[in-house]
Amino acid sequence: AQSVTQPDIHITVSEGASLELRCNYSYGATPYLFWYVQSPGQGLQLLLKYFSGDTLVQGIKGFEAEFKRSQSSFNLRKPSVHWSDAAEYFCAVGDRGNAGKSTFGDGTTLTVKP
Amino acid sequence: GAVVSQHPSWVICKSGTSVKIECRSLDFQATTMFWYRQFPKQSLMLMATSNEGSKATYEQGVEKDKFLINHASLTLSTLTVTSAHPEDSSFYICSATNRGGTYEQYFGPGTRLTVT
Repeated sequence: AQSVTQPDIHITVSEGASLELRCNYSYGATPYLFWYVQSPGQGLQLLLKYFSGDTLVQGIKGFEAEFKRSQSSFNLRKPSVHWSDAAEYFCAVGDRGNAGKSTFGDGTTLTVKP
Repeated sequence: GAVVSQHPSWVICKSGTSVKIECRSLDFQATTMFWYRQFPKQSLMLMATSNEGSKATYEQGVEKDKFLINHASLTLSTLTVTSAHPEDSSFYICSATNRGGTYEQYFGPGTRLTVT
């Protein structure tokens, strides 16, 4: 069965600092991988996705992520964090053989210090 | 494009009553819709997978008689919480995948259910 681990429950960074959120997955083949952001009381917004091809994926709001098959990782990065980036971030793996049914990590809460 | 709506956005109901939540794909045909439940400060828990014209597939531990899912058309799926109890209070989120497209999920804004 597929699974996702986000090792960091809570991360605090200063505004303007760089950010890396970790994600490790378990899946039997090449996965679909996603990063979502959720603000309190809101639905999920897709930041970026990996289906195939270039392992460095660019997303919205200046985010990027790199798929590393050897490490089963899909870490999310941003070079300079803005206060508006404070939110909950979820990594997810989608099952290619099951209509993209996704399994989510437990999430990482990002706090941005002024 | 690829917008998913949910209605209502929030609902309060009394214990023992039933409540229906609608999930609509507004500008695309949804092959599959998923229903999730999210508790405060927790991740999304998949409840069921819904395909148009067929019975929903429920995840282990989800009571199918309590959470009735109907996928009547390629743009509408409904979740009915029957005989609701306070422990059913939660944030319910649906998502849909685009027919003929990739398996990217498009999420609705969620419905906050409070059972008193």
